[in-house]
Formats: sequence, structure tokens, C-alpha cells
Amino acid sequence: AQSVAQPEDQVNVAEGNPLTVKCTYSVSGNPYLFWYVQYPNRGLQFLLKYITGDNLVKGSYGFEAEFNKSQTSFHLKKPSALVSDSALYFCAVRELRDDKIIFGKGTRLHILP
Amino acid sequence: DGGITQSPKYLFRKEGQNVTLSCEQNLNHDAMYWYRQDPGQGLRLIYYSQIVNDFQKGDIAEGYSVSREKKESFPLTVTSAQKNPTAFYLCASSIAWDYNTGELFFGEGSRLTVL
Repeated sequence: AQSVAQPEDQVNVAEGNPLTVKCTYSVSGNPYLFWYVQYPNRGLQFLLKYITGDNLVKGSYGFEAEFNKSQTSFHLKKPSALVSDSALYFCAVRELRDDKIIFGKGTRLHILP
Repeated sequence: DGGITQSPKYLFRKEGQNVTLSCEQNLNHDAMYWYRQDPGQGLRLIYYSQIVNDFQKGDIAEGYSVSREKKESFPLTVTSAQKNPTAFYLCASSIAWDYNTGELFFGEGSRLTVL
């Protein structure tokens, strides 16, 4: 069965600094990987996805993520953090040819002004 | 506008009562999902449906039931058998498995509180 781990409950970054939110996964076949963001009392919004091809994926709001098959990781990154990036971030995995999607526990990102 | 509508946004229930959460989508998506969100536990999959009149249990289906009689609707019933139902419930949909897509579209959630 597939699984996702987000090892950090919270990440604090100063505004203007680069940020990284970590995600590792486990699937039996090829993974489809996603990042979502959630603001308080709202649903989740899609940020980006990795399906195949280039290991560096670019998404919404200046975010990008790097797929590393050997380390089974899909870390979310941004070169320069904004205070408005403060939110809850979820990594998710979907196995090829399966509609079941599993989420990590989430990482709360605090951008300090 | 196309999207997913969940209702009610807030719901209070007495112990022993069944409640039904509504989820409607006009995105013409084939697959629909229900997740439960608790602080520190992320999203856990309750049920999902890939096609009308068919659905599969997720990781925490006990105490819940669903139906999928129409493509656009996927209601979730929280039964009295669910031991700890107070949570934030999220409905989502997606195009059924497709090589180029697969991301979920979420509703705004329903917060259920058991008194």
C-alpha cells in the first residue's frame, strides 16, 4: 500500500529566504506525486504535480518540487519566501492506474516577517 | 462557475444521531472522494468512488456510509457507530484516471461537532 511521510510538523523561515518542505513516499509502482496548500478553515488547493519527465516541477505561486527516485522524495521548494506563503502544506501520492490518493500529515509553514 | 459544493459548512449533532453531509460537483468528474481531517493527522481517506453506483472503502470507513446514485453527487453519512465523529470533512473530485491529470479539486469542507 502506498504511503506518504512529511517528517516536519512545522517549518519556520524568514521572509526572503529559501524554503523547503520535505516529503518522502512509498509505492509499489511508479508514483504520481502532488503538493497541496490549505488556508485556515478552507479546502485544499492544488500547487503542482509530478507525473513523469523532468525531475524539477514548477507550480503555482512560485513553488517548485524536485522528484528524487533513489531517495523516494518529493520536496517542495521556493527560492524566496513570502509571509503570504504561511499555510498548511500537504504532500500526496497516487499510484499509476489507481484512483486512490493518500496524503501526508501536513507541514505547517510559518514565514516570519 | 464550476466547482464542488459541500453543505452544511457547520453541523452540530447529538450523540447517537446519524447525519448526512452533502457533496455536489458540476465539473463532470468521474471520481469523488471523502476525507476526514483531524489536527496533527492530516487527511485520511474514508470512501472514494470511481464511477456511478460503485465505491470503495478507504482507510477509515468504519462508522461511515456513502452512495453514488448520480455522477455529480456523493453524500456521506456519519452514523452513530462512528466513535469519534467530530472533525473537518473534505469532499474532492477528479477526472478518472488519466495520464495527464489526476489532481483533486476540493470543496470548502464541513465541520461536524458532536455535542
